[in-house]
Amino acid sequence: DQQVKQNSPSLSVQEGRISILNCDYTNSMFDYFLWYKKYPAEGPTFLISISSIKDKNEDGRFTVFLNKSAKHLSLHIVPSQPGDSAVYFCAGDYGGSQGNLIFGKGTKLSVKP
Amino acid sequence: ETGVTQSPTHLIKTRGQQVTLRCSSQSGHNTVSWYQQALGQGPQFIFQYYREEENGRGNFPPRFSGLQFPNYSSELNVNALELDDSALYLCASSPLAGSYNEQFFGPGTRLTVL
Repeated sequence: DQQVKQNSPSLSVQEGRISILNCDYTNSMFDYFLWYKKYPAEGPTFLISISSIKDKNEDGRFTVFLNKSAKHLSLHIVPSQPGDSAVYFCAGDYGGSQGNLIFGKGTKLSVKP
Repeated sequence: ETGVTQSPTHLIKTRGQQVTLRCSSQSGHNTVSWYQQALGQGPQFIFQYYREEENGRGNFPPRFSGLQFPNYSSELNVNALELDDSALYLCASSPLAGSYNEQFFGPGTRLTVL
């Protein structure tokens, strides 16, 4: 049973427009959510996170929104740039001593010039 | 500052064999986590090592084992390889164990089991 779901395998947007990547989760015990970006032949790199007690976190062009009642979070990238083309993973963290992350399957974002 | 490195980059083994994958953590990091990423899936947590001790384990059988050395580098060992073990194996280091510590990932080792 997937605890973190990214239902869109791919997304294509035009340069300069907004990219919205969605993520749903089933486990209410997640304390913390993270977004990672992965380029081919590289490991995932941390992008932005949000605590479960917040509903928004912003870092430059990247904003993550959390809707706990809907068990839904989204990553907004504004404006999108061709260099943002990558696979984006959403992950949940229980907030325990292990720090193991529960990842979704990822969404491949393509930003067209 | 050197990032997380993994070796080898690619590896081909046959079913039933054993494999050892290696990871060098980022300077100053004492915690290493291993993940398995099957094709089309997200990374799945295997286990974490903190100061040479296993600190947590995901839903993987005992034939997946690990080690962490005094310099905080780590090995992942898989015995009795199965076809389904074919995946990208990612290592991540962090400055401390537990949540809220950013995990820095290496580029991974691509294992193919024939």
